[in-house]
Amino acid sequence: DAGVIQSPRHEVTEMGQEVTLRCKPISGHDYLFWYRQTMMRGLELLIYFNNNVPIDDSGMPEDRFSAKMPNASFSTLKIQPSEPRDSAVYFCASSTGAGTYEQYFGPGTRLTVT
Amino acid sequence: TQLLEQSPQFLSIQEGENLTVYCNSSSVFSSLQWYRQEPGEGPVLLVTVVTGGEVKKLKRLTFQFGDARKDSSLHITAAQPGDTGLYLCAGPMDSSYKLIFGSGTRLLVRP
Repeated sequence: DAGVIQSPRHEVTEMGQEVTLRCKPISGHDYLFWYRQTMMRGLELLIYFNNNVPIDDSGMPEDRFSAKMPNASFSTLKIQPSEPRDSAVYFCASSTGAGTYEQYFGPGTRLTVT
Repeated sequence: TQLLEQSPQFLSIQEGENLTVYCNSSSVFSSLQWYRQEPGEGPVLLVTVVTGGEVKKLKRLTFQFGDARKDSSLHITAAQPGDTGLYLCAGPMDSSYKLIFGSGTRLLVRP
C-alpha cells in the first residue's frame, strides 16, 4: 500500500512568493496532520483535520499560513507571502484515529526561502 | 502544559555497544510512542506502549513504559550503523489525537 505522499520534496523560493505544499494521506485514514521541523524547535504540529474538517489550527504561526482539505485524499498547506524564517521541513502525517494515536508520516518537503 | 524531555540529546557510540535513551514527563500519558527518523525521511513508528510497566521488544530494541506512565526508555543491544538516526518519543495531548513530540535523541553508530 502507498504511504503518505508529499510534493514537492524540495522547494526553493524567494521571500514574498507564495508556496503550496501538497499531501495525499493513506487511504482510509480519517486524520491528517501538518508538522514543521527545525533544528531549533523540533517537530511542531501546525494543524490537523478530522474527516476533512480542521479541528485545531492553534499551531499555525500566523495568518500567512493556511491549510485546506477539500476531500479525503488531498490537503494543501499554503504560505503567502513566504519569509526566510519559514525555511524548514514540512511533514504531513495521517492516522486512522479509532482509538489509536499512531501516525504515519510522509517523506517531507524541504522548504528554503531566500 | 504537557512536555516530553528526552536524554541524551546526542549519542555517538561504536558498533556493538549497548545504549539507553530516555523520555520523561511530569504528566501522565495514556500511551507513548517511539519513532525513528533517518536523514531526509519522515519519522517512522517503531512501537506504542500503553500499559504502565509494559516492556516491548523489537529485535535488538527494548522499550519500557514506566509504572506511573510518565516516562519511557529505549534500550538498544549491540548497536549497528543501521540504527543511526533521530529517535523521538511522542504522546497524545490531553486525550486528543494531537501528539506531543520530545526533542529527540540523535544517535550515531560508528562502524
